[in-house]
Amino acid sequence: GAVVSQHPSWVICKSGTSVKIECRSLDFQATTMFWYRQFPKQSLMLMATSNEGSKATYEQGVEKDKFLINHASLTLSTLTVTSAHPEDSSFYICSAISGRRYEQYFGPGTRLTVT
Amino acid sequence: GENVEQHPSTLSVQEGDSAVIKCTYSDSASNYFPWYKQELGKGPQLIIDIRSNVGEKKDQRIAVTLNKTAKHFSLHITETQPEDSAVYFCAAIPNTGNQFYFGTGTSLTVIP
Repeated sequence: GAVVSQHPSWVICKSGTSVKIECRSLDFQATTMFWYRQFPKQSLMLMATSNEGSKATYEQGVEKDKFLINHASLTLSTLTVTSAHPEDSSFYICSAISGRRYEQYFGPGTRLTVT
Repeated sequence: GENVEQHPSTLSVQEGDSAVIKCTYSDSASNYFPWYKQELGKGPQLIIDIRSNVGEKKDQRIAVTLNKTAKHFSLHITETQPEDSAVYFCAAIPNTGNQFYFGTGTSLTVIP
């Protein structure tokens, strides 16, 4: 199956700093990538939909100036958490569509801890 | 929009027994229903899926059934093993877009 990687797998940062998370489709081109946030023992919450070469579409309640998404190529999307605060600590997961819109492949996730 | 409900939230079974997880959806336009397994600290992995033109699909110990009229679909795991322990999510995708609507998850524990 298609492989999606995320980097880093975990990161600890101080409050006020920014953190960038990368999502890569390793063996296919992804026209669309999604970013999710997941709190412990909860479901995935869609944050934004990212299409290559265009601005991301954010879900209601997600601050676009805080969670910057860039989808610069068909294999890479990045999520930057700006001026991170402890409440931003969470598990962030990306996914990518291979071309057939039903086939969505998830990355392994990134655990962000803001101290 | 679509609303997906999933039950139960937790499920414990003895090794070798069967496990059933049920989901309901609200949007009759949904036509794709995948199931994901998520182990602790990892991303979800697709384990089986079904499209609206099929009533049942099986892959070894895992099967999914779909009732379009009642708008519900179920995951069946037979001969459960300890490595089946994980959180399982169902999802529904309307044919009008590509957004996945996830259920709230079921934490399955298989007791050896």
